[in-house]
Amino acid sequence: EVQLVESGGGLVQPGRSLKLSCAASGFTFSNYGMAWVRQTPTKGLEWVASISTGGGNTYYRDSVKGRFTISRDNAKNTQYLQMDSLRSEDTATYYCARLRGHWFAYWGQGTLVTVSS
Amino acid sequence: EIVLTQSPTTIAASPGEKVTITCRASSSVSYMYWYQQKPGASPKPWIYDTSKLASGVPNRFSGSGSGTSYSLTINTMETEDAATYYCQQWSSTPLTFGSGTKLEIK
Repeated sequence: EVQLVESGGGLVQPGRSLKLSCAASGFTFSNYGMAWVRQTPTKGLEWVASISTGGGNTYYRDSVKGRFTISRDNAKNTQYLQMDSLRSEDTATYYCARLRGHWFAYWGQGTLVTVSS
Repeated sequence: EIVLTQSPTTIAASPGEKVTITCRASSSVSYMYWYQQKPGASPKPWIYDTSKLASGVPNRFSGSGSGTSYSLTINTMETEDAATYYCQQWSSTPLTFGSGTKLEIK
């Protein structure tokens, strides 16, 4: 059974950093592209970043470029999202998702990130 | 950025009723993808490559469309279908989602 388990969310002050992790199991992690998607009540679902199977190619939405870094450790079956210079508008539930072509075939349960002073 | 506009925003349907949700893209896309989300849960993959049902999705659901207009149809509404449905495209970066259609039971 495919499982994606996020961790690392919490309350953080504006301008500070937070690192999310996503532990994967039930499939050959190194064979799949991975992504982070966030959701807020006002903006809905937003794709944040994606990473290729080997980690050599990464993609970001414009609003997080230069502040967020997606990475993966295939030996640990884990992907990460390093979030720096956080802003209030980054407040959201962050989902880890497994890519299948151009869509998300599996989602984690989500982790809440709140950016507030 | 391709903007996806879903309609209606909210719809209420009676059990047995036929329901159609529309997703219009601001530019042509090759495929559309759909997700179902219930309160407190993660989105679930529902329809991929415009018309293929994800694993476990009942065959009363169908998807169709091309270019800038796509739809998700439920042939006969059931109570368990009450949820919010989102469309998604990745024909061009950034990948974008529609704002969702909330389907309620009448």
